[in-house]
Amino acid sequence: DGGITQSPKYLFRKEGQNVTLSCEQNLNHDAMYWYRQDPGQGLRLIYYSQIVNDFQKGDIAEGYSVSREKKESFPLTVTSAQKNPTAFYLCASSIEKNRDIAAVAQHFGDGTRLSIL
Amino acid sequence: GNSVTQMEGPVTLSEEAFLTINCTYTATGYPSLFWYVQYPGEGLQLLLKATKADDKGSNKGFEATYRKETTSFHLEKGSVQVSDSAVYFCALNSGGYQKVTFGIGTKLQVIP
Repeated sequence: DGGITQSPKYLFRKEGQNVTLSCEQNLNHDAMYWYRQDPGQGLRLIYYSQIVNDFQKGDIAEGYSVSREKKESFPLTVTSAQKNPTAFYLCASSIEKNRDIAAVAQHFGDGTRLSIL
Repeated sequence: GNSVTQMEGPVTLSEEAFLTINCTYTATGYPSLFWYVQYPGEGLQLLLKATKADDKGSNKGFEATYRKETTSFHLEKGSVQVSDSAVYFCALNSGGYQKVTFGIGTKLQVIP
């Protein structure tokens, strides 16, 4: 079945450490997104990518980095510069080419919960 | 800028009760509107959508009508089940990759 796979499901970060969250999709979608979910705040966009080798900052990009070397993969690195990384991270994808962008829904992975040790 | 307003809850209902979760929005232009559902420990799943005024989205007994005059997209279900317990997110997309705006999510608890 097609879908989005996020790993690991749970991740712990030590002080001063960078950690990388994996996101892989086999839906042949062009666009991919990373969101952060905190209680009472809904979803906030960290980064998004429309095509391979291109990505853009979202609303809360500071302390995070991404790459998009393959269409299927969009890993997120939480750097030591992110002082409050404890959250639930969601990866999403959507078909964007030749479609009405506003009408397109996003498909989500099951998330990674990141905590501080 | 765009915004979506919904109550955080929790909303607690008995099984077979009628459900309404209110969603109002502020946006430029003519956005598409969505309801997503998140079950515990999982990501979001699209529940239904509407892309223009007066459209009604429906799925699994849930319905919502795009009301431009009241800028609303309220979610309704006639008879809820325990399995409907989840967090429900209202969202809008006014076009473009950065233009998806989510509400804070409303937690629904259905008790037997």
